[in-house]
Amino acid sequence: QVQLVQSGAEVKKPGSSVKVSCRASGGTFSNYVISWLRQAPGQGLEWMGSIIPIFNTANYAQKFQGRVTITADESTSTAYMELTSLRSEDTAMYFCASNSNYFDYWGQGTLVTVSS
Amino acid sequence: ETVMTQSPATLSVSPGERVTLSCRASQSVSSNFAWYQQKPGQAPRLLIYSASTRATGIPARFSGSGSGTEFTLTISSLQSEDFAVYYCQQYHNWPQTFGQGTKLEI
Repeated sequence: QVQLVQSGAEVKKPGSSVKVSCRASGGTFSNYVISWLRQAPGQGLEWMGSIIPIFNTANYAQKFQGRVTITADESTSTAYMELTSLRSEDTAMYFCASNSNYFDYWGQGTLVTVSS
Repeated sequence: ETVMTQSPATLSVSPGERVTLSCRASQSVSSNFAWYQQKPGQAPRLLIYSASTRATGIPARFSGSGSGTEFTLTISSLQSEDFAVYYCQQYHNWPQTFGQGTKLEI
């Protein structure tokens, strides 16, 4: 069974960047597709992008193009999501999840708070 | 993008009741459709994929149906642990999109 463990909560200033990690275990990392989603307080879920570690290629939602970068390190079975030019509207819980269609395994979530 | 509309936003129910949640897509998504359950402070949990296939470990009281633009999730007999928010998702059209959720409350 796949397990995804994310890095801890972050507090950031507007205009700065955040990088969240997601370490996978319980399977072959190269075979996964890892996606990142976010959920603003009291809101629904929003897909941000996905990466195929074996190819190290990512695709992103148009909304986040130019601000988000998803990478993967096969040597540590870890995926990363970096979001730049943070604004208050980016305050949300960020999740990694396996698969790129439906999401069968999820990380526990990382709360990113953007505040001056 | 494909807009997913869930109804109702909130549903007041009692344990033991049969419940049906609805989700409508703004364009056809075939059967590339999933349901998730989310409890406070937790990540979502996959319940149903391919519109009607239960995910691993999901009790048989959960069932999904539909195709095209209209989908339903039925919980045959509500248990106390089923009070949560339920989200639908389409993965047929890019980008994949979610509904805004239906909250089941007592």
